[in-house]
Amino acid sequence: GAVVSQHPSWVICKSGTSVKIECRSLDFQATTMFWYRQFPKQSLMLMATSNEGSKATYEQGVEKDKFLINHASLTLSTLTVTSAHPEDSSFYICSAYSGGVSNQPQHFGDGTRLSIL
Amino acid sequence: SQKIEQNSEALNIQEGKTATLTCNYTNYSPAYLQWYRQDPGRGPVFLLLIRENEKEKRKERLKVTFDTTLKQSLFHITASQPADSATYLCALVGDSSYKLIFGSGTRLLVRP
Repeated sequence: GAVVSQHPSWVICKSGTSVKIECRSLDFQATTMFWYRQFPKQSLMLMATSNEGSKATYEQGVEKDKFLINHASLTLSTLTVTSAHPEDSSFYICSAYSGGVSNQPQHFGDGTRLSIL
Repeated sequence: SQKIEQNSEALNIQEGKTATLTCNYTNYSPAYLQWYRQDPGRGPVFLLLIRENEKEKRKERLKVTFDTTLKQSLFHITASQPADSATYLCALVGDSSYKLIFGSGTRLLVRP
């Protein structure tokens, strides 16, 4: 149980392109989804917290107009990297949380490797 | 400032031995701590959660301890196997509910 699917797993695109990444909870309803970014040999850095039906909460230093997050249903959140540039190349990972109590684990997708040329 | 520190050097051990990984934190008072495993190019997978009022938690070959006085958690894998080779991340609850703050992880290599 608690499977999170992230798509695409890998994308290469030209500078200036917008890229959309999907995160789906397959067998549970996720009241909250998180988006992380990870550089090689570094930790996961939280970018934003997304609650179903409301605006995402972004961490300090993360541009909300650059990284658009939509959480339209209890099983789907999307991250759109707008006008991507080479410095946006990274490994983006989502996680889903079923809520209820605060000590439950997060369930992670397998990440999206984004390379901007 | 708040910090979570894990040994950045890889831990290299012989199969069958016990691996012990350390997670230290400062300027936090987490209600609980979690350990995750991450394989290259994959998302983290949850392993264990330990609450602040628990000193030790076990699951099969895994054991976690949590010392809130020392501000430290130890993660043990007994009878280690080459398949245990991965990066292990500790994570604390952040300032807000549900948000996790991750350490940078320690890479474990188990030699056959």
